[in-house]
Amino acid sequence: SQKIEQNSEALNIQEGKTATLTCNYTNYSPAYLQWYRQDPGRGPVFLLLIRENEKEKRKERLKVTFDTTLKQSLFHITASQPADSATYLCAPNTGNQFYFGTGTSLTVIP
Amino acid sequence: NAGVTQTPKFQVLKTGQSMTLQCAQDMNHEYMSWYRQDPGMGLRLIHYSVGAGITDQGEVPNGYNVSRSTTEDFPLRLLSAAPSQTSVYFCASRKMGSYNSPLHFGNGTRLTVT
Repeated sequence: SQKIEQNSEALNIQEGKTATLTCNYTNYSPAYLQWYRQDPGRGPVFLLLIRENEKEKRKERLKVTFDTTLKQSLFHITASQPADSATYLCAPNTGNQFYFGTGTSLTVIP
Repeated sequence: NAGVTQTPKFQVLKTGQSMTLQCAQDMNHEYMSWYRQDPGMGLRLIHYSVGAGITDQGEVPNGYNVSRSTTEDFPLRLLSAAPSQTSVYFCASRKMGSYNSPLHFGNGTRLTVT
C-alpha cells in the first residue's frame, strides 16, 4: 500500500530563515501533490498544488518542488515569520482517495 | 459562506453507545469524505462519497457507516463505539471535475470513548 513520510521530527527555525519540509512517498505514482497547513484545533487549509509534470510552483513566500524520480516533494517557506508556526501536511494523490502524510510541526522562533 | 460545518465539536461516549457525527457543506461540492486524525498516524480516510447515493470505503472503514442522501450532508455513524475510536474526526469536501480543486475541511469533532 502507499506510504507517505514527512520529517518525523519537529522543525524549529529562527525568524527570517528559510524552512524546508520534506515529503517522501512510495508504492504509487501520484498525478499531483498538495500541501496543507493545520493550526491547533482546526482543520487543514489548502496552500499549494503541484502537478507531476511541473518541477516547481511558487506562491508568495512559498515554494514547492516535485521530483517524481526521487518520489519526493520539498516545501520551502522563505523569510519565515512566527505566524508560519503550524503543522504542514503533504498529500500526494490521484483519483478519489486522498492520502496524507503525518505532517511536520514547524515553530518559527522570534 | 459557512463552508464545511461539523457538529458536535466535542463528544464523550461510553463503550457500546451509538452516535452520528454531522457534516454539512454549502458549496455544492460533489465529493465529501471523513477522516480520523490520531497522534503519529496522520489523517486516515474512513469513507468518501462522489455524489448523492454513492459512498465508498477508505483506508479504515471498519466500525463506521455513512450515507449520502443529499449533496449537502454526509453523516458518519458509529453503531457501537469502542475506545479505539477515540480520535479527532474531520469532514472534507471538494468540487469534482478539476484536478486542482482542493479539499475544504471542517474544524473537527473530538470524540472520546470511555
